Amino acid sequence: DQQVKQNSPSLSVQEGRISILNCDYTNSMFDYFLWYKKYPAEGPTFLISISSIKDKNEDGRFTVFLNKSAKHLSLHIVPSQPGDSAVYFCAATSGNQFYFGTGTSLTVIP
Amino acid sequence: NAGVTQTPKFQVLKTGQSMTLQCAQDMNHNSMYWYRQDPGMGLRLIYYSASEGTTDKGEVPNGYNVSRLNKREFSLRLESAAPSQTSVYFCAIWTGKQETQYFGPGTRLLVL
Repeated sequence: DQQVKQNSPSLSVQEGRISILNCDYTNSMFDYFLWYKKYPAEGPTFLISISSIKDKNEDGRFTVFLNKSAKHLSLHIVPSQPGDSAVYFCAATSGNQFYFGTGTSLTVIP
Repeated sequence: NAGVTQTPKFQVLKTGQSMTLQCAQDMNHNSMYWYRQDPGMGLRLIYYSASEGTTDKGEVPNGYNVSRLNKREFSLRLESAAPSQTSVYFCAIWTGKQETQYFGPGTRLLVL
């Protein structure tokens, strides 16, 4: 059973606008969440993370929001750039094991 | 990819053949992981090693074995490859909470 879900397989956004990628989880024991970016034929690259004691973490153009009561997190990219076009994975952990979503393919249109 | 290397980059096997995927890190971290990535499935954990000399099963361990040879190396072995094991395999290290996982570049495996 998928413990971390990304229900949108793809998303298209105009350059300069906001991209919002969503992720839901089912396990209330998860206490650390991460977002990764992946280009074809490469390994995932870490973007940003958030601990369950916070509800927001910001790093430049990237902001992650965590809503524990809804078991939902989102990644906001503002402004979106063509180089942001990639597959984005969310992941969650409560210890040593990590659980990944199925990914959202973001296309930023110039 | 941040000090995590994988060999080979690509491999074709026939059903029933065996092979070992190699992973090495130069970042001196304890935790190492093997994942597989399949279309529409995201990344799924096969095995992980929290420290030298220890290994644990992840979500999809069947058909695989691992060896944590030393702190630096973590290998994944397919004893009798099956077409269902056609996938892209990623090795990763974990630097700890408030930090991140670093992934290797991946090994593409095709089992015919």
